[in-house]
Amino acid sequence: TQLLEQSPQFLSIQEGENLTVYCNSSSVFSSLQWYRQEPGEGPVLLVTVVTGGEVKKLKRLTFQFGDARKDSSLHITAAQPGDTGLYLCASPTGSARQLTFGSGTQLTVLP
Amino acid sequence: DAGVTQSPTHLIKTRGQQVTLRCSPKSGHDTVSWYQQALGQGPQFIFQYYEEEERQRGNFPDRFSGHQFPNYSSELNVNALLLGDSALYLCASRPGTGDIPYEQYFGPGTRLTVT
Repeated sequence: TQLLEQSPQFLSIQEGENLTVYCNSSSVFSSLQWYRQEPGEGPVLLVTVVTGGEVKKLKRLTFQFGDARKDSSLHITAAQPGDTGLYLCASPTGSARQLTFGSGTQLTVLP
Repeated sequence: DAGVTQSPTHLIKTRGQQVTLRCSPKSGHDTVSWYQQALGQGPQFIFQYYEEEERQRGNFPDRFSGHQFPNYSSELNVNALLLGDSALYLCASRPGTGDIPYEQYFGPGTRLTVT
């Protein structure tokens, strides 16, 4: 069973600061997805990365997939209070391509 | 176009009772998965339904069972509730059995509290 480790578990920063959160596995990912979950809601997909070394940008969010496809990072530039939420990485596994999730990084951006 | 809907939003049950949670997938989606999310944790896969059959199951006891109807909606049943079953139960849908990458759409979840 593939295990996804996310760090840090909690992150509290001031508005305008930059931050990076990480997702690591001892196994190779077939692909990796990043989700954001806000209180009272289900996770919402932010991005899917497939190719080793891939970099994707979504406004102030930059996603990187490691060359060996065993790690990924999410970098947020000039964080805003609206970025507050639980950031989850997940990888499709198994015959049904069900998602295996990391434990998440709880981000709080203070105004 | 309605996304994934779940009912009820919140539920409080007593140990030993049984509960049924319901999910309607996003229009055009025929594959439904259920996840359990404990407080402060990532979601854990319970099972997936496709063509009214359980296609894959996670590491959950037989107390957890499900069903998919011809209109693709789904139910999650939990028998003999334990305190540890308290969690947010998420339903996710996607179209068919398509290859990666694909997007799963999650509902808002049902918050189950067992006392």
